[in-house]
Amino acid sequence: QSALTQPASVSGTLGQSITISCTGTTIDIDDSYYVSWFQQHPDRAPKLLIYDVINRPPGISYRFSGSKSGNTASLTISGLQTEDEAIYFCGSYTDDSPVFGGGTQLTVL
Amino acid sequence: QVHLEQSGAEVKKPGSSVKVSCKASGDTFSSYSISWVRQAPGQGLEWMGRIIPMSRTTKHAQNFHDRVTITADRSTNTVYMELNSLKSEDRGVYYCARSQDGYSFDYWGQGTLVTVSS
Repeated sequence: QSALTQPASVSGTLGQSITISCTGTTIDIDDSYYVSWFQQHPDRAPKLLIYDVINRPPGISYRFSGSKSGNTASLTISGLQTEDEAIYFCGSYTDDSPVFGGGTQLTVL
Repeated sequence: QVHLEQSGAEVKKPGSSVKVSCKASGDTFSSYSISWVRQAPGQGLEWMGRIIPMSRTTKHAQNFHDRVTITADRSTNTVYMELNSLKSEDRGVYYCARSQDGYSFDYWGQGTLVTVSS
């Protein structure tokens, strides 16, 4: 059982915006700025999209943005493109150990 | 640009051990850590443990504490992960990943598939 809960799947149409949620169950996201998001395409390694709730590493599109409210963090993808179809994982940090959500499959219709 | 190159796929028998390597290039070992993350087929990500190569300080996840050994060879910029007493459920892709803060992994290896089968 993951310490972070994500929806199993979300979908959106080209050009639309979607939001993926990540709720802390055994950890307290509310008091933490340790929230990250990763994108994983089939048979590829995960790729860091967001760290510390809102920050994007160099080279990551502005279309990806992060936020947090209470014990739920969110990843918003604006202007959906076909290459955004992937699995998205949230991550956090508790007891000096990283934890991950179960992943959300994004389908672009 | 940092690059993490992992060793190739392994096929192991139950009860045996596997040792996977992760060689860093483009940057020397500094104050960052290298973690190992497992992904079972069709499943999510599971953190196994990490090492800070400069100090060789390690921390292991509770689920793997007594079966995993993580070491670093600073002379070759290589980190190793050895998993003992393999079971069929250890089958999956094992990734090494770099972190400067302990949890946001900015560079990943390409992954190593480990198959456990009799």
